[in-house]
Amino acid sequence: QVQLQESGPGLVKPSQTLSLTCSVSGGSITSGSYYWSWIRQPAGEGLEWIGRIFTSGSTTYNPSLKSRVTISVDTSKNQFSLKLTSVTAADTAVYYCARVKVSNSGFYFDYWGQGTLVTVSS
Amino acid sequence: SYVLTQPPSVSEAPGKTARITCGGQNIGSKSVHWYQQKPGQAPVVVICYDSDRPSGIPERFSGSNSGNTATLTISRVEAGDEADYYCQVWDSSSDHPVFGGGTKLTVL
Repeated sequence: QVQLQESGPGLVKPSQTLSLTCSVSGGSITSGSYYWSWIRQPAGEGLEWIGRIFTSGSTTYNPSLKSRVTISVDTSKNQFSLKLTSVTAADTAVYYCARVKVSNSGFYFDYWGQGTLVTVSS
Repeated sequence: SYVLTQPPSVSEAPGKTARITCGGQNIGSKSVHWYQQKPGQAPVVVICYDSDRPSGIPERFSGSNSGNTATLTISRVEAGDEADYYCQVWDSSSDHPVFGGGTKLTVL
């Protein structure tokens, strides 16, 4: 059973960089046809996809966040990470990491972390 | 960009059938996936590829997709089904996922 766990600071100051890591257990991050993704959810709102990475290092980002987002992978640690620069209060949200199941029929998020609340405030 | 439209809320009595729709242009040509999210928890996939149920999801959950509307059907609704439900597709033109705005299911 694959498990994902987010970690990182719960409070970030405005204009600084938000950094989170997702640790994957129960399987290798390099096995199978999967992408690894970050998704966020402001309180009381819907889900917003941030971006994804393949273990080759290939990335795709949400165009609305692309200029501020970097997703990277460390296969030796079975982890992938998110950096979001120049944060504002609008970036306050629960951040989820998730595995993306890839097939010719479409992609979906089959495993999710429990989520971590990140608050942007001085 | 591709847009998915869901009703903000659906209400149904216990034991009845709840239907949650997800509208999108020619959505029938795409694979639709449905997630259940209970308060304070991460989303869980309840239907993938329009109508497949992942292991552990009750048979009461089913899905269909045709034309411009996909539908999540929950039969014999229980109090424990009360949650937010999101539909999702992968937009091949932009190569990224699209979520619907979510539907809050209230069990009366």
